[in-house]
Amino acid sequence: DTGVSQDPRHKITKRGQNVTFRCDPISEHNRLYWYRQTLGQGPEFLTYFQNEAQLEKSRLLSDRFSAERPKGSFSTLEIQRTEQGDSAMYLCASSLVTGNNYGYTFGSGTRLTVV
Amino acid sequence: DAKTTQPTSMDCAEGRAANLPCNHSTISGNEYVYWYRQIHSQGPQYIIHGLKNNETNEMASLIITEDRKSSTLILPHATLRDTAVYYCIVTGNNRKLIWGLGTSLAVNP
Repeated sequence: DTGVSQDPRHKITKRGQNVTFRCDPISEHNRLYWYRQTLGQGPEFLTYFQNEAQLEKSRLLSDRFSAERPKGSFSTLEIQRTEQGDSAMYLCASSLVTGNNYGYTFGSGTRLTVV
Repeated sequence: DAKTTQPTSMDCAEGRAANLPCNHSTISGNEYVYWYRQIHSQGPQYIIHGLKNNETNEMASLIITEDRKSSTLILPHATLRDTAVYYCIVTGNNRKLIWGLGTSLAVNP
């Protein structure tokens, strides 16, 4: 297991189209997080899962956004009817919840460009 | 989650120690201090974290003041590859991370 994998690395789409991103976390990690990052800013929290349960969603996650983590393994983030403002880097991270409170491992991200 | 304050940018000479400060005066008793860095166009990389004791790993050292209101990340021998944006974050129990703008560290030859 080489870490958190995200696919695709880059996505260019026309405004109004739907896009879906995939994240494969580190296999033994039970938590999975999605963040969004625009140029010059730190990542912004979108949502996170513990196993297959989605425990928290940010207000940034409008009804056009949906995330799933079936069977508590990989996760998908779908954006419907994309807008130019959705252009950003979408980052996935995973962690193992233990008493030692280890940090996250991030993937390399999916860069979305809406034209 | 407590907020953090970091300088916008810093410079460091290659081979010297880089000391990156962070203020987190509103940190609560069960919140950890985390440090991540992000090299251009890559995902953030975990560096180190601590609760109240100083910590050291193969990448860096973390010095937390006794009142826990501030901390310093130390890269003992900075290299050009350490040029990145460094984020200081406080959070508890592996919850969501609230990111600021970080410190842009430039390591110069």
